[in-house]
Amino acid sequence: AQSVTQLGSHVSVSEGALVLLRCNYSSSVPPYLFWYVQYPNQGLQLLLKYTTGATLVKGINGFEAEFKKSETSFHLTKPSAHMSDAAEYFCAVSDNTGNQFYFGTGTSLTVIP
Amino acid sequence: DTAVSQTPKYLVTQMGNDKSIKCEQNLGHDTMYWYKQDSKKFLKIMFSYNNKELIINETVPNRFSPKSPDKAHLNLHINSLELGDSAVYFCASSETGASGNTIYFGEGSWLTVV
Repeated sequence: AQSVTQLGSHVSVSEGALVLLRCNYSSSVPPYLFWYVQYPNQGLQLLLKYTTGATLVKGINGFEAEFKKSETSFHLTKPSAHMSDAAEYFCAVSDNTGNQFYFGTGTSLTVIP
Repeated sequence: DTAVSQTPKYLVTQMGNDKSIKCEQNLGHDTMYWYKQDSKKFLKIMFSYNNKELIINETVPNRFSPKSPDKAHLNLHINSLELGDSAVYFCASSETGASGNTIYFGEGSWLTVV
């Protein structure tokens, strides 16, 4: 069985500060890992994903995440937070059929001016 | 063009009513999903269809019945609505057969049962 754990349901950062959103996964097979963002009153959109190859993955809006197998982690980072980054962020893992996604419980990011 | 579109976006209805939410995707995907997001933002999968066939059916009351007339459409019908059904319902789609598929979500349907 697969699962993801997002540490911290709420994260607040100052504008211009580093954003770090944590995600740990559990998987018995090589995982495929995703970060999605949900802006208020909108659907989820893909930020970035890891399938194979380079473990540092770059996504949209300056976000990136690093797959660390030894730590079973896929933390999301952005060097400098912008007000427009305020949203809900979801980490997800899928199995090798791609038919089932397991979403984390989400982290709400607040950016303080 | 919207890749995954669902209607209506907002729906307010009384307890006991029957309602439907429609979903269409123009991405050529084989797999479609319905997710429920509660007030705490938890996302829970309800159903998954692959080429019109049900492949995932999580523990959902049988008042919820998905229908897939073709692989581009997956509608959700809800009978005898209850207060606890109030939530945001997301339709989504993905390719099948390729590992690491991305799920593409619709904009959501906000259901309020009063």
